Amino acid sequence: KAGVTQTPRYLIKTRGQQVTLSCSPISGHRSVSWYQQTPGQGLQFLFEYFSETQRNKGNFPGRFSGRQFSNSRSEMNVSTLELGDSALYLCASSSPGTNKETQYFGPGTRLLVL
Amino acid sequence: GQNIDQPTEMTATEGAIVQINCTYQTSGFNGLFWYQQHAGEAPTFLSYNVLDGLEEKGRFSSFLSRSKGYSYLLLKELQMKDSASYLCAVRDPGANNLFFGTGTRLTVIP
Repeated sequence: KAGVTQTPRYLIKTRGQQVTLSCSPISGHRSVSWYQQTPGQGLQFLFEYFSETQRNKGNFPGRFSGRQFSNSRSEMNVSTLELGDSALYLCASSSPGTNKETQYFGPGTRLLVL
Repeated sequence: GQNIDQPTEMTATEGAIVQINCTYQTSGFNGLFWYQQHAGEAPTFLSYNVLDGLEEKGRFSSFLSRSKGYSYLLLKELQMKDSASYLCAVRDPGANNLFFGTGTRLTVIP
């Protein structure tokens, strides 16, 4: 089975711009979670989507949003980018009721905001 | 709230055994995960504990004590390729998201 894929892998933006990141889960997985990873804060949960609905949300401002499509692919959007948004954005997919609902991570999108 | 503590860095010798500790204070408990993350790569799943005791998987073992809010990851017969960050995470009760510690960077030296 193919793993979780994320596009693009690298991105450079300037302050004030917006960005959209994409995540394709493992085939058959319906839950997609997004995390932000920075050297100082580690991995922090952004939100989770399941069956096209946001099921859970972390403590991030409203500039961070997401959605999920009927094929379980997910996108996250960050508007009005700030320097502090520079981070590795990871998505993870899981399948409820299987293998302890282990989350499997994609390679991430590294975002640099200048 | 959730609080997870791990040592920031550890160094160990090739062929040796190393134990990476994780303590947590969480409102409820729904499972603890260990992930390995090599620099520039995605975290990869190592182990899952939800009941007290030791789970062994090859060279890697993970232990959990829920009453003490404590877990450790034991790596035996260390290899150079084990140099990586090891992330301890607890699952949010009633939800599927994970709370991560800041990770332990392990360096294996010859």
